[in-house]
Amino acid sequence: AQSVTQLDSQVPVFEEAPVELRCNYSSSVSVYLFWYVQYPNQGLQLLLKYLSGSTLVKGINGFEAEFNKSQTSFHLRKPSVHISDTAEYFCAVVGIGGATNKLIFGTGTLLAVQP
Amino acid sequence: DADVTQTPRNRITKTGKRIMLECSQTKGHDRMYWYRQDPGLGLRLIYYSFDVKDINKGEISDGYSVSRQAQAKFSLSLESAIPNQTALYFCATSGQYTDTQYFGPGTRLTVL
Repeated sequence: AQSVTQLDSQVPVFEEAPVELRCNYSSSVSVYLFWYVQYPNQGLQLLLKYLSGSTLVKGINGFEAEFNKSQTSFHLRKPSVHISDTAEYFCAVVGIGGATNKLIFGTGTLLAVQP
Repeated sequence: DADVTQTPRNRITKTGKRIMLECSQTKGHDRMYWYRQDPGLGLRLIYYSFDVKDINKGEISDGYSVSRQAQAKFSLSLESAIPNQTALYFCATSGQYTDTQYFGPGTRLTVL
């Protein structure tokens, strides 16, 4: 089975500052990893995903994440945030080769960008 | 038009009532999912379906049932609603498990 931990429930940051949202996972098998974003009163949409290859993954809206297998982490970063980045961010994992291949979500991190 | 639609968007009901939430998709995907979102708990999988003849329980299926009427339609039912089923419900679809899951806009359900 897999699990995902997002230790920070809320991250306040000033506009144009860099930000890192942390995600750690646990799995007995290899995994695929995802970051989703949920803007207020909307459904979730994919920011980026890691399936294989380069461990640095670039996504939409200037976000990127780095897969670190030894530390079982997939932290999300952006060098300069905007007010419009205010949203909740979810990390998710799926185990490779399992019978069900279900996405397991973390509890989410609310990114609050202040002017 | 949206690829994944959910009806209703908001619903207030009373304890003991039966309620159905509907989901339709135009992406042609085989896989469909129902999730529940609660503050501080993230999204939890209720049921999922990999094709019309395949229905599977997720981690929190008790008190819920589903029906896959067609490739494009997947409905979630609460046979006898209770207050702790008050939550935001999302439907999602995907092609394969490595593919992006596409989410609907959500249904906010309140059980009084």
